[in-house]
Amino acid sequence: GQNIDQPTEMTATEGAIVQINCTYQTSGFNGLFWYQQHAGEAPTFLSYNVLDGLEEKGRFSSFLSRSKGYSYLLLKELQMKDSASYLCAVNHDYKLSFGAGTTVTVRA
Amino acid sequence: IAGITQAPTSQILAAGRRMTLRCTQDMRHNAMYWYRQDLGLGLRLIHYSNTAGTTGKGEVPDGYSVSRANTDDFPLTLASAVPSQTSVYFCASSDTTSPHNEQFFGPGTRLTVL
Repeated sequence: GQNIDQPTEMTATEGAIVQINCTYQTSGFNGLFWYQQHAGEAPTFLSYNVLDGLEEKGRFSSFLSRSKGYSYLLLKELQMKDSASYLCAVNHDYKLSFGAGTTVTVRA
Repeated sequence: IAGITQAPTSQILAAGRRMTLRCTQDMRHNAMYWYRQDLGLGLRLIHYSNTAGTTGKGEVPDGYSVSRANTDDFPLTLASAVPSQTSVYFCASSDTTSPHNEQFFGPGTRLTVL
């Protein structure tokens, strides 16, 4: 089976930085996605890593280490609208396996 | 239609009833997926289809069936609903020939089985 772990909840202050870790053990690997999901809405794409290293996209960055089975999503300059669930998903055999998601709460 | 749509938005269903959740995409994506999302468990793949005319089982297929008669539509059927199928159901699609194979999600169907 697939095993993808991420913390359940994180809380941070507006303007701060938060790092969401994800570890995975999967049968096959074709890349790792991060999705954002606001309450009651569909997941939306944030980032994709297939090679080791850091991918930066505005206030969001994602890092991957394939040898360690590890990724993180870095959210900088937090805003209230960043309060959401963040889903780590591993692509294998053209299918995605998701972690349970990390709920991030941004406080004023 | 822009993107991917699902119907109904929500439904309350008596146990034992048959129900079909509809999903349509206009992006000409070859692959489509059905997930259920339950609190604390994240998104779990029910069934998928890599191309029209083919389907495959995901992680939690029991009690569900799908068909893929054409590129755009991918209905999910619960033949005889049970309370454990109460969940939020998301349909998604992707172009597996693209470098990222990013999946795009529909707005979801909230299903309650009593």
